[in-house]
Amino acid sequence: QQPVQSPQAVILREGEDAVINCSSSKALYSVHWYRQKHGEAPVFLMILLKGGEQKGHEKISASFNEKKQQSSLYLTASQLSYSGTYFCGTERGANNLFFGTGTRLTVIP
Amino acid sequence: SAVISQKPSRDICQRGTSLTIQCQVDSQVTMMFWYRQQPGQSLTLIATANQGSEATYESGFVIDKFPISRPNLTFSTLTVSNMSPEDSSIYLCSALEGYGYTFGSGTRLTVV
Repeated sequence: QQPVQSPQAVILREGEDAVINCSSSKALYSVHWYRQKHGEAPVFLMILLKGGEQKGHEKISASFNEKKQQSSLYLTASQLSYSGTYFCGTERGANNLFFGTGTRLTVIP
Repeated sequence: SAVISQKPSRDICQRGTSLTIQCQVDSQVTMMFWYRQQPGQSLTLIATANQGSEATYESGFVIDKFPISRPNLTFSTLTVSNMSPEDSSIYLCSALEGYGYTFGSGTRLTVV
């Protein structure tokens, strides 16, 4: 039931790009993306709704393929502050968020 | 966005005892949620708490073990009952505001 993310971990140098994928076996109503830094609470980045509407972070983009039940998060020109664990979250109708397996992103100078 | 104050931030408890975790939101929210997160792992939804109704529990979680109260639109508590070492984890509350979910800073629970 839990959405599966790939890769599990990635290391980038500052300025490089990354793509994080999220795949669900269940039909999706929406997809959320969150970033969690060590010892802190997850922070909302963006939401993608059916029909293509997106709301959230200005410098981060994402896609949502409703038919394939997949979403991808695109991090471009990465900064040190981008380091953390990224989680996708899926809502299957009701307002309850189920988190993906997580992707640990490390940005090095 | 809403700010959620969660307490205690951490606790060490004896097995067989209970701990109540409190979450206070600085604005009225319809839906609040409780999650559990093992260090280095993802978040697992325990239950949804709506004001004026019984909490809705996810598979694997039961009310006798994790009773939840939601007395008003800004406050909720989660009790971890009859604790065992397997309950050691980080517990987070969350509120839905607009499109995104806001989280409290978490309660790190260690059961000895």
